[in-house]
Amino acid sequence: SQQGEEDPQALSIQEGENATMNCSYKTSINNLQWYRQNSGRGLVHLILIRSNEREKHSGRLRVTLDTSKKSSSLLITASRAADTASYFCATALASGSARQLTFGSGTQLTVLP
Amino acid sequence: DVKVTQSSRYLVKRTGEKVFLECVQDMDHENMFWYRQDPGLGLRLIYFSYDVKMKEKGDIPEGYSVSREKKERFSLILESASTNQTSMYLCASRVQELASYGYTFGSGTRLTVV
Repeated sequence: SQQGEEDPQALSIQEGENATMNCSYKTSINNLQWYRQNSGRGLVHLILIRSNEREKHSGRLRVTLDTSKKSSSLLITASRAADTASYFCATALASGSARQLTFGSGTQLTVLP
Repeated sequence: DVKVTQSSRYLVKRTGEKVFLECVQDMDHENMFWYRQDPGLGLRLIYFSYDVKMKEKGDIPEGYSVSREKKERFSLILESASTNQTSMYLCASRVQELASYGYTFGSGTRLTVV
């Protein structure tokens, strides 16, 4: 089963609104990462948050991490039509081999002009 | 910027063919990965490699093999293509064997097996 699961599966908002996507995971992590994928393309790394961090910002992106709830959220503020994409969370495990990432199924975000 | 290049964007192959998917990165990254992406299933790891001539199985290695003869190139091989291998294949690389770095992905190869 997937280590990370995004919620909701799909989200549709108007341009200028904020978009929030959530990710839940099952086992202890070293870090959690968010990626964006435009239709039919590869994934682009957005932001990484370590297990000892609670919040991180990058431009219009804000990521929070709650290790007690094993969950993370990605907030995109003042969304634009160009933000339309799928967003994936990915986790690197804390124990054993932290070498590879495990990806969730993604949230499809549509920003309407 | 690191660039990861996958040789084909779209590929159509016949059942039973041997298929090679090539991936090249230009920033001397040690780690390289092959994922497949299917609707509703997210990305699933097929194989990965930490260095030249090293390879390890991911979650779904059956029906696939890999080759890493040079540091910059990581090839995915479908020994005998089947229709259930129709998918989007994504290659990624990362500097060093450290979890605290993100991946750089290629643009993907959409493979159709008929």
